[in-house]
Amino acid sequence: SQQGEEDPQALSIQEGENATMNCSYKTSINNLQWYRQNSGRGLVHLILIRSNEREKHSGRLRVTLDTSKKSSSLLITASRAADTASYFCATETSGSRLTFGEGTQLTVNP
Amino acid sequence: GAVVSQHPSRVICKSGTSVKIECRSLDFQATTMFWYRQFPKQSLMLMATSNEGSKATYEQGVEKDKFLINHASLTLSTLTVTSAHPEDSSFYICSAPGRSSYEQYFGPGTRLTVT
Repeated sequence: SQQGEEDPQALSIQEGENATMNCSYKTSINNLQWYRQNSGRGLVHLILIRSNEREKHSGRLRVTLDTSKKSSSLLITASRAADTASYFCATETSGSRLTFGEGTQLTVNP
Repeated sequence: GAVVSQHPSRVICKSGTSVKIECRSLDFQATTMFWYRQFPKQSLMLMATSNEGSKATYEQGVEKDKFLINHASLTLSTLTVTSAHPEDSSFYICSAPGRSSYEQYFGPGTRLTVT
């Protein structure tokens, strides 16, 4: 069963704006990962944040993790039309098994 | 980086037939692989964990006799959807952990349509 919930389910913004997506989970985790999926395609790994980390950056991506609230956020700064995709958080509990959130469909309008 | 391939990328089959989907790790060995199913506009649901040389571990609610998994080598896992029905139409994705426990590589997915 899915333990992750993401909000918003859909987000539409203009190019240049920032996009923030949130993810909540229910159990203890080893790490939390964010993935991107273009329509009908496979997943692309974006960033991983470990349970003992609070914030991580990678290019235009910023991820935060609050283990006390069991939540994470993904911020994409200065968005581009090419960022249009579905974004999923995934938590790893044990044995490399990932549990995915419901996902956020991001549309960046040119 | 490590690459995982899937074959076929798309398959259309008739109701009642069986379909086999392959997942290969191309430049690394994978003693474990994972199979996910994704319905349109939904998230990925883990179906089973494929273990090389032993039986697969299925998630609750997934019928092991309908979704046969074979992991005969360190680079290949197969998922066979037996007696497929239209409700089995979905996007099937496999993944394999990399050398580090934090790495996981996903295949490009297989779109199954059962008519």
